[in-house]
Amino acid sequence: DIQMTQSPSSLSASVGDRVTITCRASQSISKYLNWYQQKPGTAPKLLIYAASSLQGGVPSRFSGSGSGTDFTLTISTLQPEDFATYYCQQTFSKSRTFGQGTKVEIK
Amino acid sequence: EVQLVESGGGLVQPGGSLRLSCVVSGFTFSDYEMNWVRQAPGKGLEWVSYISSSGTTIYYADSLQGRFTISRDSAENSLYLQMNSLRAEDTAIYYCASHKWGAGFAYWGQGTLVTVSS
Repeated sequence: DIQMTQSPSSLSASVGDRVTITCRASQSISKYLNWYQQKPGTAPKLLIYAASSLQGGVPSRFSGSGSGTDFTLTISTLQPEDFATYYCQQTFSKSRTFGQGTKVEIK
Repeated sequence: EVQLVESGGGLVQPGGSLRLSCVVSGFTFSDYEMNWVRQAPGKGLEWVSYISSSGTTIYYADSLQGRFTISRDSAENSLYLQMNSLRAEDTAIYYCASHKWGAGFAYWGQGTLVTVSS
């Protein structure tokens, strides 16, 4: 199976900060990389697909980049509603593995 | 409005079986790939199984060791997960999620809780 490793596992940030989350795949996955946001008690929400394509309805402060094994999710200006847990996911292989998650908390 | 509604969760003893259902509306079911994803209490997301839009291609997480079976019924706009030989570690919220080929999991249900305990 392809392993997905996110860093950091958690971070504290303030409203208005620029936040970057990294996801590394154990082997090349081209651009088959998605990003999700999950808030407590709710289902995940797709933010970015194919590494850098913004899902419809998602604010433009979210962006994704990368290819191969290294990927980044950036929130340009953190808003109060962005405090949540973020997951990357690869869909390159049959087993569509998720990263372990990055919790973004209020500083 | 797109809706995915899971059902069938509950409390089951170790070694028991459950069948989860996910009824979809608001989009053309036969155009979408479908998945089951689970989340153990306080843990991250774990992909469980995939079925193609035609139902001809199926994948499972290696960790399931052949105990689960995914299926779909286009006439009923429904996705299913038959879970056998359940273990304590299968305790989780089970979500169904759909996507077009090559895209991320755009639509999710609200989840159904499966608890495996004696």
